[in-house]
Amino acid sequence: GQNIDQPTEMTATEGAIVQINCTYQTSGFNGLFWYQQHAGEAPTFLSYNVLDGLEEKGRFSSFLSRSKGYSYLLLKELQMKDSASYLCAVNKRGSTLGRLYFGRGTQLTVWP
Amino acid sequence: GAVVSQHPSWVICKSGTSVKIECRSLDFQATTMFWYRQFPKQSLMLMATSNEGSKATYEQGVEKDKFLINHASLTLSTLTVTSAHPEDSSFYICSARGGRSSDEQFFGPGTRLTVL
Repeated sequence: GQNIDQPTEMTATEGAIVQINCTYQTSGFNGLFWYQQHAGEAPTFLSYNVLDGLEEKGRFSSFLSRSKGYSYLLLKELQMKDSASYLCAVNKRGSTLGRLYFGRGTQLTVWP
Repeated sequence: GAVVSQHPSWVICKSGTSVKIECRSLDFQATTMFWYRQFPKQSLMLMATSNEGSKATYEQGVEKDKFLINHASLTLSTLTVTSAHPEDSSFYICSARGGRSSDEQFFGPGTRLTVL
């Protein structure tokens, strides 16, 4: 496997900020995706980081450190609808078929 | 973003029957399509990768004779679960690659399969 690790569960309250971490160990790393998945639905794209640094997109931001094999997804001003599973997925260089390697997902529960 | 559809969205079948699931890229040509299986509260597990016009590449532990994949065109891939058993009950999701961003995969809405 690619040793992609993320916490299984997290909880937070409405309006708060939460950070979901993802660490990976892989050769030929090309980039890292974050997806949101509500129960019984397909994953939806949140972000894709290739270079080091923070990318902000509205209430969601994603950070990548290639040297540390580490990424996080930051969710601000949490809303009830943000309760979902958050999946990080690694894209490998040289993988001509574009295969993604998924972490187990972090189930986030937002309380009122 | 690009749109991927799946049909059917859910299916219930008897043990021993075969079920076909279709995955279509609606507004782009998908050079590669992926089939995933997801059990409750678990992450996506890649089953196989298919390129249009060639044989699918199966992940270790996935039986190619049980899960038949056909990628006949740049917009359609099918997964047939042959001789389905209750343990095959799962959420099957396809994704397609080949839109404007070659790194991004676009996921279909998934198919819930229940085998009685």
